[in-house]
Amino acid sequence: DAGVTQSPTHLIKTRGQQVTLRCSPKSGHDTVSWYQQALGQGPQFIFQYYEEEERQRGNFPDRFSGHQFPNYSSELNVNALLLGDSALYLCASSKSAEQFFGPGTRLTVL
Amino acid sequence: GQNIDQPTEMTATEGAIVQINCTYQTSGFNGLFWYQQHAGEAPTFLSYNVLDGLEEKGRFSSFLSRSKGYSYLLLKELQMKDSASYLCAVRPLSSGSARQLTFGSGTQLTVLP
Repeated sequence: DAGVTQSPTHLIKTRGQQVTLRCSPKSGHDTVSWYQQALGQGPQFIFQYYEEEERQRGNFPDRFSGHQFPNYSSELNVNALLLGDSALYLCASSKSAEQFFGPGTRLTVL
Repeated sequence: GQNIDQPTEMTATEGAIVQINCTYQTSGFNGLFWYQQHAGEAPTFLSYNVLDGLEEKGRFSSFLSRSKGYSYLLLKELQMKDSASYLCAVRPLSSGSARQLTFGSGTQLTVLP
């Protein structure tokens, strides 16, 4: 079992650019959640996808959007990048209460 | 909304016991989680409490009091590898069937030899 995988591992972008991050959930999991973790902080919930629909959304602007595919994998898109978007982006998959986290994508915005 | 408080840093000695406290205020409650996160790595699940009381799992135990909005994580027989950030997270009732978590800022535990 490969667990939750994310790509890419690291990414460097400049302000105003757009980025797409990818996540493959743990085998058998149907729900994918995305979190943003700034340095020294806990993860902040962005949104959650289930059955290819956004089921719940945290306090993030519309620049953050996502998608879930029929195979349960998911993408996180961020438009018009700001310096403050620099963070570790974590994907978590679940089937029940416990969420399993991927290794994350470290995004740096210059 | 939700507000979760936990100490920023703690230091303990190898072989000792340490208790990391977490208090929360939430409009509804649907479970409390503890995660361990080593620097540069993903959070890994430690424990889940939904009812009051103590849950024990090896060297790690977690306690919950819903009436007090309080939880703690107890680590026994500390090892150097236990040096990490420990995240307290609440699953709010407002999440409904969703499984979103609201995290505290984490407690950075340093285990000294």
